[in-house]
Amino acid sequence: QQQVRQSPQSLTVWEGETAILNCSYENSAFDYFPWYQQFPGEGPALLIAIRSVSDKKEDGRFTIFFNKREKKLSLHITDSQPGDSATYFCAASKNGGYKVVFGSGTRLLVSP
Amino acid sequence: EAAVTQSPRSKVAVTGGKVTLSCHQTNNHDYMYWYRQDTGHGLRLIHYSYVADSTEKGDIPDGYKASRPSQENFSLILELASLSQTAVYFCASSEGTGGDERLFFGHGTKLSVL
Repeated sequence: QQQVRQSPQSLTVWEGETAILNCSYENSAFDYFPWYQQFPGEGPALLIAIRSVSDKKEDGRFTIFFNKREKKLSLHITDSQPGDSATYFCAASKNGGYKVVFGSGTRLLVSP
Repeated sequence: EAAVTQSPRSKVAVTGGKVTLSCHQTNNHDYMYWYRQDTGHGLRLIHYSYVADSTEKGDIPDGYKASRPSQENFSLILELASLSQTAVYFCASSEGTGGDERLFFGHGTKLSVL
């Protein structure tokens, strides 16, 4: 049972383009959605997160767009850089809950 | 910056053997977690702990045991390793579980069971 789904599995963009990573979820009780970035050989690290009361969260070149009605969110990476090449995990959790559910990840490659 | 250290970084084990993966955190965090990463499955929670000497089952606990002898240390134990347990294992810690707590991950342990 995949509670958090991500697409595409892999994505290649040119340097300077906007990369769009998609995520959807099933459990309407989820109210916190962090995105984690993972480089090869390392553990995931928190990149940006949004709560369900908001529809947009911006941090520099990274923006989350959230649609609660459709249970969808997306991560936009503007002016993509080769250093952004990594795997990005969408995750979800419920306030007060211990469990963070991860999607299967999107592998992003930014070509110079 | 929170620090979570895992050992070993990689291990080769034989089927049926016992494997212990160790994790140490220096952040005074209450919560510690063991995740398993497989291609196409993302990260799945095996066990977690919110206090020393107590552990809880996550989503995929079968075939794994956990031990939390102190706040800083959390181990994952495979009593009888199997081929299907070949994966990368990540330990993580967090301050609490308010639902929006940041997880701090270690670098992972790559386990190959032959």
